[in-house]
Amino acid sequence: EIVLTQSPDFQSVTPKEKVTITCRASQSIGSSLHWYQQKPDQSPKLLIKYASQSFSGVPSRFSGSGSGTDFTLTINSLEAEDAAMYYCHQSSTLPLTFGGGTKVEIK
Amino acid sequence: QLQLQESGPGLVKPSETLSLTCAVSGGSISSTNYYWVWIRQPPGKGLEWIGSVHYSGTAHYNPSLESRVTISVDTSKNQFSLNLSSVTAADTAIYYCADTIFGVVTDAFDIWGRGTMVTVSS
Repeated sequence: EIVLTQSPDFQSVTPKEKVTITCRASQSIGSSLHWYQQKPDQSPKLLIKYASQSFSGVPSRFSGSGSGTDFTLTINSLEAEDAAMYYCHQSSTLPLTFGGGTKVEIK
Repeated sequence: QLQLQESGPGLVKPSETLSLTCAVSGGSISSTNYYWVWIRQPPGKGLEWIGSVHYSGTAHYNPSLESRVTISVDTSKNQFSLNLSSVTAADTAIYYCADTIFGVVTDAFDIWGRGTMVTVSS
């Protein structure tokens, strides 16, 4: 099973700041890494697919990068509505797995 | 636009079978363009992939649950189902259904249902 390790677990950020979340895979997964946002009492929403492809309708301040084992989700100019949990997910190998999540709080 | 809606009992007794259904609207479950997926999230915790099924009947399960899980498709009702047997309190979670972008099991999940909370308790 591929283990995904996210860091940090928690981040408190001022609006308009830049946020960087990392996801490290226990073995190479190519570009089969996706990012989701989950707000309280809502289902997760796909933000970035295949490491760097923005999903339809996602604001341009969200971007992804990386390949192999190291990946990054960047939120440029954080907005109050971005307060949420963020999860990475690998689809390279079964079983499909998720990272433990990163909570982004607005200061 | 494809929409998914979970339904089923909110309370299941220990050792019994948890059964949930996901109704698909805005598209056909028989499309080759999707795998249909179940994911769960224990209260306050992260996400766990349970399994995925293609309308053809091909299914893939998480090895951690495989001995207890069955996911099936009902094309006549345009829905798919999850059965999880011999449940314990550890199976208490929000259960989500979702689909993949393309017709491959190794893919991102682009559409999610709102989720349904299932509590295992006597």
